[in-house]
Amino acid sequence: DTGVSQNPRHKITKRGQNVTFRCDPISEHNRLYWYRQTLGQGPEFLTYFQNEAQLEKSRLLSDRFSAERPKGSFSTLEIQRTEQGDSAMYLCASSLEISYEAFFGQGTRLTVV
Amino acid sequence: QKEVEQNSGPLSVPEGAIASLNCTYSDRGSQSFFWYRQYSGKSPELIMFIYSNGDKEDGRFTAQLNKASQYVSLLIRDSQPSDSATYLCAVKPGGYNKLIFGAGTRLAVHP
Repeated sequence: DTGVSQNPRHKITKRGQNVTFRCDPISEHNRLYWYRQTLGQGPEFLTYFQNEAQLEKSRLLSDRFSAERPKGSFSTLEIQRTEQGDSAMYLCASSLEISYEAFFGQGTRLTVV
Repeated sequence: QKEVEQNSGPLSVPEGAIASLNCTYSDRGSQSFFWYRQYSGKSPELIMFIYSNGDKEDGRFTAQLNKASQYVSLLIRDSQPSDSATYLCAVKPGGYNKLIFGAGTRLAVHP
């Protein structure tokens, strides 16, 4: 059991650049979630996939954010034209279809300078 | 009103004592409730989940759920310095496939 894997672990980018993060869920998990966490806050839901279908997306999610899970396995989260306010820890989690017990990856810490 | 509320702490308890962490939620249709532990700079780690009213015990941890009062708690018995972390309460609201997290309670266990 390798757990949820996220890459890269850290990313520093200049404002205005695009960034892409990858998440590999636990192999038998159908559900995949992206969350964002800033200092002193709990994780904030961004989007959710069941297999390859993106079924929920936060109303707070800017058009600059897009996520894919093309074959129902790994997922990518892209942020276009990054802003300083995008600086946060981006967390991926996965769970079995029959439960909502979600297991998190190590996260990708994004710093926009 | 926040959807999931927790006291930010810090909650300071001596080693060996019982730590009691509390959480309230606003959506009466919420179905599933989770406690995560998060060490500084690390990602959240699932430690307990509870779906039915009452108590659920797992080792030194007990989760308590009272849906009528919209209240979830986590008890940690025989607290150890290694339990020092932020504890996040998470709730699955009715009709949604996501978790809503509280801001977390910081627990400090001192020798």
